[in-house]
Amino acid sequence: AQKVTQAQTEISVVEKEDVTLDCVYETRDTTYYLFWYKQPPSGELVFLIRRNSFDEQNEISGRYSWNFQKSTSSFNFTITASQVVDSAVYFCALSEAPSARGRSGAGSYQLTFGKGTKLSVIP
Amino acid sequence: DAGITQSPRHKVTETGTPVTLRCHQTENHRYMYWYRQDPGHGLRLIHYSYGVKDTDKGEVSDGYSVSRSKTEDFLLTLESATSSQTSVYFCAISGNIGPNQPQHFGDGTRLSIL
Repeated sequence: AQKVTQAQTEISVVEKEDVTLDCVYETRDTTYYLFWYKQPPSGELVFLIRRNSFDEQNEISGRYSWNFQKSTSSFNFTITASQVVDSAVYFCALSEAPSARGRSGAGSYQLTFGKGTKLSVIP
Repeated sequence: DAGITQSPRHKVTETGTPVTLRCHQTENHRYMYWYRQDPGHGLRLIHYSYGVKDTDKGEVSDGYSVSRSKTEDFLLTLESATSSQTSVYFCAISGNIGPNQPQHFGDGTRLSIL
């Protein structure tokens, strides 16, 4: 089973529309972290946000907002008033403590990525 | 931008040849990672390093080896490249231990094996 599921493979919206990218995760751990990364057409991966499992407060940064709900194991990402520059592939990722992954040791803190959602914003 | 340089940025080679990709960082971060990115798979961890000469396998390590003789350099080697290793390879770094540490990525190496 996938640990991080991004069910939307591709989304197209018209500029200025709002769009929500879904992320559902699976973990048995009580302490974990969730991340979002952006990969624009130029190919680099850009870190956007990190949330920990104890903080369910929604976060807003400009036109970006994140909705973390432990009850549904979701960490959704909303872009308000989308712009062409938002066109990119967006990845959700999960990081768990080593014990949750059946491992131990310093090297066991690893990110598990979803398969990504490609967002196209049409002018 | 995190000081991460991947080289080469693009490479085309033939099946059966050895290939080495280099990741160089100027951040003095302890942890370094190699991922591959393929359509429909997202990013998958190949190997990682938690210190000089300390490395371990990731999810898709078969056919790859790594070495880290200095803090700043992490090398990924394909001993005998196969077409299934055609991919985009990303190096990442993080500074400290813990699941809360974001990883910062290099710009990627596009590798084509014919």
